[in-house]
Amino acid sequence: GNSVTQMEGPVTLSEEAFLTINCTYTATGYPSLFWYVQYPGEGLQLLLKATKADDKGSNKGFEATYRKETTSFHLEKGSVQVSDSAVYFCALSRANQAGTALIFGKGTTLSVSS
Amino acid sequence: DAGVIQSPRHEVTEMGQEVTLRCKPISGHNSLFWYRQTMMRGLELLIYFNNNVPIDDSGMPEDRFSAKMPNASFSTLKIQPSEPRDSAVYFCASTGGAANQPQHFGDGTRLSIL
Repeated sequence: GNSVTQMEGPVTLSEEAFLTINCTYTATGYPSLFWYVQYPGEGLQLLLKATKADDKGSNKGFEATYRKETTSFHLEKGSVQVSDSAVYFCALSRANQAGTALIFGKGTTLSVSS
Repeated sequence: DAGVIQSPRHEVTEMGQEVTLRCKPISGHNSLFWYRQTMMRGLELLIYFNNNVPIDDSGMPEDRFSAKMPNASFSTLKIQPSEPRDSAVYFCASTGGAANQPQHFGDGTRLSIL
């Protein structure tokens, strides 16, 4: 079946450090891949997405590339800020099936200190 | 555009009481999802609807939980009777169109059952 595996947190970094949060998936076909972010006390917000192999999603300095050969969608940012402290979720949607539920990873908590 | 609107934002009630959570999806979206988030279990899909019809309710924990979507602009999640272990943050999300479209989340209802 379809599944998403994220690296376990928490991830603790100093401001301006490089960030990588690993995400791998198992899926049939060609799913779309997403990263969501959840700030304290808020709902999940879409951070970026990629819909086909080799696509790179980017937003607010974050990037992730859809790698079909390694079934991965790792999140990266070159220089994190304190305001990036949040929980990050990797997710996939089943290929070619509109209106189906996303499959989420368990989330990775990022804490950035100044 | 207005996002997904959930009410109430916070609910505190005593065990055994009926609880009703409400959600207004984004206009034009035809899929609606209910999730529950706890520290122990993470983000769990409870049920989702396409075009107001329940598609998958396998995540509903037990018969005390029920969900309805009487029209395209309103859904409810009801717990009767409520128990302390139902304490969690409940999120509603909506999406429309193709499989690569992201879900948009509300800010959630923080439910505490005493």
